[in-house]
Amino acid sequence: DADVTQTPRNRITKTGKRIMLECSQTKGHDRMYWYRQDPGLGLRLIYYSFDVKDINKGEISDGYSVSRQAQAKFSLSLESAIPNQTALYFCATSERGDGYTFGSGTRLTVV
Amino acid sequence: GENVEQHPSTLSVQEGDSAVIKCTYSDSASNYFPWYKQELGKRPQLIIDIRSNVGEKKDQRIAVTLNKTAKHFSLHITETQPEDSAVYFCAASRYNQGGKLIFGQGTELSVKP
Repeated sequence: DADVTQTPRNRITKTGKRIMLECSQTKGHDRMYWYRQDPGLGLRLIYYSFDVKDINKGEISDGYSVSRQAQAKFSLSLESAIPNQTALYFCATSERGDGYTFGSGTRLTVV
Repeated sequence: GENVEQHPSTLSVQEGDSAVIKCTYSDSASNYFPWYKQELGKRPQLIIDIRSNVGEKKDQRIAVTLNKTAKHFSLHITETQPEDSAVYFCAASRYNQGGKLIFGQGTELSVKP
């Protein structure tokens, strides 16, 4: 499903480096979310945005920042990557808070 | 804070048997409960959802039940098939107050032929 596109698909980076994960969508949804997935922990909410001027912290926002550049674009940044940020990251969109559409995910490894 | 607990973490069944996955939620104001299926290496995809004004919903071989008093909901898969093997996630949210989903920890379902 190309409606929600994440780049890159895979990334290996070094401790202390700044990295940005990008998400773009063609669904026209106002609401966008960033989650991280770790084995046994499910999907945990990092940040979410209900429109370009509305950014909110989720359960685990420490060490992360986001930018909503446009309705269709929502980027996640790790200012100084650390190994325990190694995870699978998903972007998602929704129109009204239901029926989330997820991107294909970005597998990030911090060494 | 808001929390969703999911059990079991792994479930193995024989093809044709039924599978049941259970979730409990802490926020009594939650009113939307979706279930997602994630196949290996793929993204989570919505398979069924229920709102708090309904006690049960069915879609072919899958059904979800909701007990608001006890704050728990369950996914039932009947006549399981090998292609049902995946990780299943439950989630909860206050649909009319923003809709940020809080997910359970996931259940890895294995259906053995």
